[in-house]
Amino acid sequence: SAVISQKPSRDICQRGTSLTIQCQVDSQVTMMFWYRQQPGQSLTLIATANQGSEATYESGFVIDKFPISRPNLTFSTLTVSNMSPEDSSIYLCSVLSRGRSVYGYTFGSGTRLTVV
Amino acid sequence: GQQVMQIPQYQHVQEGEDFTTYCNSSTTLSNIQWYKQRPGGHPVFLIQLVKSGEVKKQKRLTFQFGEAKKNSSLHITATQTTDVGTYFCAGRVGGNKLVFGAGTILRVKS
Repeated sequence: SAVISQKPSRDICQRGTSLTIQCQVDSQVTMMFWYRQQPGQSLTLIATANQGSEATYESGFVIDKFPISRPNLTFSTLTVSNMSPEDSSIYLCSVLSRGRSVYGYTFGSGTRLTVV
Repeated sequence: GQQVMQIPQYQHVQEGEDFTTYCNSSTTLSNIQWYKQRPGGHPVFLIQLVKSGEVKKQKRLTFQFGEAKKNSSLHITATQTTDVGTYFCAGRVGGNKLVFGAGTILRVKS
């Protein structure tokens, strides 16, 4: 299955600033997914990023707040803009990858963001 | 919108006891997947169930998909301390989009 390198692993940021999170996949994938996981909570899909087109955002998430880039089939970035303490969360990228005989989602190791 | 409910939220068992977590969807799912997230880690794919009534086993873990493809369960026999973590079900509702359950936190006392 795919291997994802996600960075940074954690950051502490001042409110009003922006942070860009990067995910690099070791193989070409059509879609990459960005999730948010608040402490002790489940995963919420932010958006789906396709190469060569605009990302598709889920309800409650907008491009101005979470701009996404997908310049090629192995790389994507998510920016958390104009941060506030409510943005403190873990952000994860994910791709659909094939294991032995079935497709499952592989996740990056996550970016733990604290906004102060 | 699509929801996947998961219970219990939390379970603390004695090592050697069994553990079960249940998922229920408001609509029919094309398939359901299960993930395990160790404390401080990221979700790791365990299995996918596709067929109505399907049962799959991975060593001490047994996964079931309901006949109506709206519910699923994960049962762990004789828990071990290595089973500690949060178990998430995730329903595939169409295309490649997953909707995650709230997760069940499992703690094992040795």
